[in-house]
Amino acid sequence: DVKVTQSSRYLVKRTGEKVFLECVQDMDHENMFWYRQDPGLGLRLIYFSYDVKMKEKGDIPEGYSVSREKKERFSLILESASTNQTSMYLCASRDRVTDTQYFGPGTRLTVL
Amino acid sequence: AQSVTQLDSQVPVFEEAPVELRCNYSSSVSVYLFWYVQYPNQGLQLLLKYLSGSTLVESINGFEAEFNKSQTSFHLRKPSVHISDTAEYFCAVSDPPNFGNEKLTFGTGTRLTIIP
Repeated sequence: DVKVTQSSRYLVKRTGEKVFLECVQDMDHENMFWYRQDPGLGLRLIYFSYDVKMKEKGDIPEGYSVSREKKERFSLILESASTNQTSMYLCASRDRVTDTQYFGPGTRLTVL
Repeated sequence: AQSVTQLDSQVPVFEEAPVELRCNYSSSVSVYLFWYVQYPNQGLQLLLKYLSGSTLVESINGFEAEFNKSQTSFHLRKPSVHISDTAEYFCAVSDPPNFGNEKLTFGTGTRLTIIP
C-alpha cells in the first residue's frame, strides 16, 4: 500500500512565525504536490515538484515556498504565517504509470 | 486553463435511493477525468478514473461515471446508496499529456449526506 504521511494532524501557530509542513511518501514517486483545502473552494494547488530539487508554482503560491532535497520528502514552508493561511493542507504523491495521486491525511493549520 | 464545475455543493439522499453527482469540465483537448472521495477526517482517495477506452467506468463499491465528450461531463452515479457513502466527492481533470508530469485541477466538491 502506498503511504503518504504528514508530520502533524493539527498545528497552531502565531502570526509571523515560520511554519514547516513535512510530507513523506514511501513509493519512490517523482511527482509530489501541496494543496490547501477550504470550504466551498475545493483543493487549490500551491506548489508541485517533478523530481528532487525541481519545483513549480501552482495556482496560489504567494506566501509559500517548498523544498525537495530528497525524493521521498516534500516540505511546505510558510515564511511568515498570516491568519489567511489558516486552512487544511494536503500533500499528495503521484504514480505516473497509473496517473493516480495518493493523499496524506492532511494538516489542519490554525494561525492566530 | 482547465476548470471543473460541480454545481451541487451539498446533496442529501435517503438510504437505498439513487444519486447523481454532477461534474462538467472545460477543456479543448483530450483530458483524463477523475473522481476522488474524502471520508470524514481523512485525506482524499481515488474512486474511479477515465483515461481512454470505454466511456463508462466503475468503482469497486458500486459507483459509476460516464465520460460524455459532447457535453463535457463526467457525472457520478450510484443506483442505491448506503450510509457508508457519506463523504465529500471531488471531480478532477488532468492536464494534457506532459511527459508524465501532469497536474490535476479539482472542482469545489459535493458533500453527499445519506439520510437513514
